[in-house]
Formats: sequence, C-alpha cells, structure tokens
Amino acid sequence: NAGVTQTPKFQVLKTGQSMTLQCAQDMNHEYMSWYRQDPGMGLRLIHYSVGAGITDQGEVPNGYNVSRSTTEDFPLRLLSAAPSQTSVYFCASRRNSLGYTFGSGTRLTVV
Amino acid sequence: DAKTTQPPSMDCAEGRAANLPCNHSTISGNEYVYWYRQIHSQGPQYIIHGLKNNETNEMASLIITEDRKSSTLILPHATLRDTAVYYCIVSKGGGQFYFGTGTSLTVIP
Repeated sequence: NAGVTQTPKFQVLKTGQSMTLQCAQDMNHEYMSWYRQDPGMGLRLIHYSVGAGITDQGEVPNGYNVSRSTTEDFPLRLLSAAPSQTSVYFCASRRNSLGYTFGSGTRLTVV
Repeated sequence: DAKTTQPPSMDCAEGRAANLPCNHSTISGNEYVYWYRQIHSQGPQYIIHGLKNNETNEMASLIITEDRKSSTLILPHATLRDTAVYYCIVSKGGGQFYFGTGTSLTVIP
C-alpha cells in the first residue's frame, strides 16, 4: 500500500490563480480530511468527507472547495489563491475507530 | 468533540521515560483518546490510541485514568529522535480530529 499520496509536494502560485491539490489513498478508507498548518501552529481542519459523494466543512473552509467522487480521491481546490493561504496542507484518511493516516504534505506559497 | 489541554513544552533526558500528560475532562463515553506526533514539518504520525483500558505498543504506552478525564503518553526510553510535537486528540470512531497546539518535547543528550 502506498498509503496517502499528495501531489504536488511544493507549489508557488500568484494571487488570484486557482489550483487543485491532489490526495489519493489506496486503503479503502471511508473518511478523508484536509488540514492546513501555518508556521508554529497546530493543524486546522478545512473540509472532510465521510464517504464518496459526502463532504462537509471544517474549521476554516472559506476559499476552498472539495469533492469526493470516488473512495480513493479527495481533491482540494483553491478558487482564487490569496497570500493568507500560504501554508502546508495535509490530507488524511481513516477507517472507523482507527486513527488517521496522513500524507507528507503540500507546501504552498502564494505571492 | 472534546477539547484537550496539554503543556506547551517539556524536556526529557535521553534514555529516561518521557511522560506527556493530557487533560480531556469533557470526554464522552464513545470518544477515543489518540496520540500523534509531528517531527519538523512532516505529516503527523500515529502513536497509539485507547478507549478505556491502558494500551501498549512498540512505540509507547497510554495510561487513561479510570474517570477518563485525563491520560498520559509514556515513551519508555526517550531518544533524540523522539524530539517532536505531540498531540493528544479525542474523537468518536467516525469523527473528525481537531488538533490543539500540542506539547513540544525536547529530548536532551
């Protein structure tokens, strides 16, 4: 199993550009989540999904969209990038009471 | 989901046991206690979790008080590679993880 795979690992965007952060898992996990982590802070939940076709907002959803058309994939879309979205983004997946498995992160800089 | 309270930082001598406390006084009966750690800017790494009973694995032990209002993560023989931020999280089986700021553990040679 590859676990949770995030692409790209690094990205630089200009203000106003849009892009999609990709997340895929091969563990057949029902639950998937996106987090962002700003320097010196803990992770904050952006959006999550409890299964294909079902998504919901977390703590900091503004400026982000998600979709879950398959169990394996959970892409995060930035609609119009802003410097405040400069952060490290982590995707994670889990099954039932087992803990989340995290990807290695995408480091995004918006200039 | 219940909130957790952890000390912001701790030191531990290399080779000694590191005991990291966590308070979760509002935990409900179906919420688990999870411990994760994050080294530098890597993705958080699962350590251990439990519901009521104490748990042990190859990485650590988890001690949960009888009233479940607090827990302690024990790293039995801390090494320099255990220097990291440790997060205590409480969550239902299918619930979301809400991270606090964790405890920054420094293992001192």
